[in-house]
Amino acid sequence: EPEVTQTPSHQVTQMGQEVILRCVPISNHLYFYWYRQILGQKVEFLVSFYNNEISEKSEIFDDQFSVERPDGSNFTLKIRSTKLEDSAMYFCASTALPSGLAGGEQFFGPGTRLTVL
Amino acid sequence: DAKTTQPPSMDCAEGRAANLPCNHSTISGNEYVYWYRQIHSQGPQYIIHGLKNNETNEMASLIITEDRKSSTLILPHATLRDTAVYYCIVRGSNTGNQFYFGTGTSLTVIP
Repeated sequence: EPEVTQTPSHQVTQMGQEVILRCVPISNHLYFYWYRQILGQKVEFLVSFYNNEISEKSEIFDDQFSVERPDGSNFTLKIRSTKLEDSAMYFCASTALPSGLAGGEQFFGPGTRLTVL
Repeated sequence: DAKTTQPPSMDCAEGRAANLPCNHSTISGNEYVYWYRQIHSQGPQYIIHGLKNNETNEMASLIITEDRKSSTLILPHATLRDTAVYYCIVRGSNTGNQFYFGTGTSLTVIP
């Protein structure tokens, strides 16, 4: 069964450093998402991506964040200068159809735990 | 302004049906309702989704009220492995496709 994969599973970094979180969505999917979950809190939407551009982003997704689909298979989230409050689980998701009105279910990866020291 | 409302926790005896309710009173007429679950800090796992009709798959059944303002996820024979946080999910914005995750229901299946 196809699945979304994410690497690394755990990333430890120093405050102010850049990190890149990687995701390989399911191969025939067209819509891609990043969510994050701070420990003990809700899963929060960060950004959606379709047709090589950002479709929507939340208030969390500020200028420190960027996304890219560099080679047609990977989907990356970059944080330019990490802050302590960026420590969280980051989940990538993909879907073949838009979720809200077309019923496309999002398939989530296992997540990357980012720890900023 | 929560888009979904779920009880924070529920218990269910192993082998019995678990009925998890959700209110989504502001849902629009053509918008799907999704149910996912999350075990510890793993990635959310898809369970089922529906628009107007009741749905059933190998994992669960979904009952949606006629006015679509609420739904109930039914796990027919709960097992210990069903212990998880269950999320009823709707669209996060009027124009986008992102999911809105509320606080979910923490289901504990008791032996």
